[in-house]
Amino acid sequence: DAGVTQSPTHLIKTRGQQVTLRCSPKSGHDTVSWYQQALGQGPQFIFQYYEEEERQRGNFPDRFSGHQFPNYSSELNVNALLLGDSALYLCASSLGGTGLEAFFGQGTRLTVV
Amino acid sequence: AQSVAQPEDQVNVAEGNPLTVKCTYSVSGNPYLFWYVQYPNRGLQFLLKYITGDNLVKGSYGFEAEFNKSQTSFHLKKPSALVSDSALYFCAVRDGAGGYNKLIFGAGTRLAVHP
Repeated sequence: DAGVTQSPTHLIKTRGQQVTLRCSPKSGHDTVSWYQQALGQGPQFIFQYYEEEERQRGNFPDRFSGHQFPNYSSELNVNALLLGDSALYLCASSLGGTGLEAFFGQGTRLTVV
Repeated sequence: AQSVAQPEDQVNVAEGNPLTVKCTYSVSGNPYLFWYVQYPNRGLQFLLKYITGDNLVKGSYGFEAEFNKSQTSFHLKKPSALVSDSALYFCAVRDGAGGYNKLIFGAGTRLAVHP
């Protein structure tokens, strides 16, 4: 039973560029949440997708957008990258939007230079 | 707004000794509380949760947590620490505003277990 998988594991981008991160949820899970973990901090909620729609959003600018596909996988897009976007981006999957037992992927380490 | 606080940036303990990692919470309504562990360059691993029931919750890898409503605390404990327990630990609370759930995390506590 595959857990939550994220790709890529690491990437380096230049300020102003755009990036897409990908997530495949745990088998049987239909809800995907994205979190940003800056160095030395706890994860912060970006947004959550269920039934291919963004259901709720944290305090992040519109440069952060996402998508969920019919197979429940998800993408996180960040436009006009800033140095401050450098962080570990974590994907969490759960069932039915409960969020009560969220399984996390290993994360994507984004470095903006 | 829901929040959790982890008052210690780092906890040091000798192998074999008991360990405690502290967490306090502030919520409206009944708290749903969680502990996660993060090893270097890894994602978060679920340890345990409290939703309702017994105040002492048992989780993975021999960890347990004690829910104390009067002190609004949810401290993580283990009777005998292992060097392999050294990691970053996060306390989290569910925020169910709007009918949807997300997790609000503390800043994390680094646990260092010394041989």
